[in-house]
Amino acid sequence: DVVLTQTPPTLLATIGQSVSISCRSSQSLLHSNGNTYLNWLLQRTGQSPQPLIYLVSKLESGVPNRFSGSGSGTDFTLKISGVEAEDLGVYYCMQFTHYPLTFGSGTKLEIK
Amino acid sequence: QIQLVQSGPELKKPGESVKISCKASGYTFTDYAMHWVKQAPGKGLKWMGWINTYTGKPTYADDFKGRFVFSLEASASTANLQISNLKNEDTATYFCARSSTVAFDYWGQGVMVTVSS
Repeated sequence: DVVLTQTPPTLLATIGQSVSISCRSSQSLLHSNGNTYLNWLLQRTGQSPQPLIYLVSKLESGVPNRFSGSGSGTDFTLKISGVEAEDLGVYYCMQFTHYPLTFGSGTKLEIK
Repeated sequence: QIQLVQSGPELKKPGESVKISCKASGYTFTDYAMHWVKQAPGKGLKWMGWINTYTGKPTYADDFKGRFVFSLEASASTANLQISNLKNEDTATYFCARSSTVAFDYWGQGVMVTVSS
């Protein structure tokens, strides 16, 4: 199974600060069709996960452009350029390339 | 608008069974696969498997083979998850999630299942 390792496990940020979350995969997420199926999700407390980014860097509809994704192969990054209060919660990366589908262990973003 | 509405919370005893539902609206049900995801209290997300809503064929992750059954009521645009012989470790929130070809794009609100004697 593909293991996704997220760092850091916890992130403490002030409003307006830019932060990054890393997601490293135990094997390449490049599919034979040329796509890389690495997605990012945000789960706010008591809510279901909300999709943020798919195919490494494409923003889901309605997601603010302060969120951006980058990376390739086995190394991926989610960046928030200017954290806002509504961004707090747990961020998960998820791979959609190999079965079984797997999630990272999560990064909890807390606001100072 | 697209919605996945799941059934309400369940409290069960060990050994009992539970069936939870996920009713889809706002799109053609059979055009998108439905996945199931488990989240134990305070823990992360774990993929359980998926069901082809066109053919009805289920696929289970290894840890969810045996006591778990995915089914459909396609005429009602509903996917179901049944868990038999419940164990304490089945206590969790269970989410349904619709998948496009590239990601989970819509999630249900989750169903909390508590197993306790």
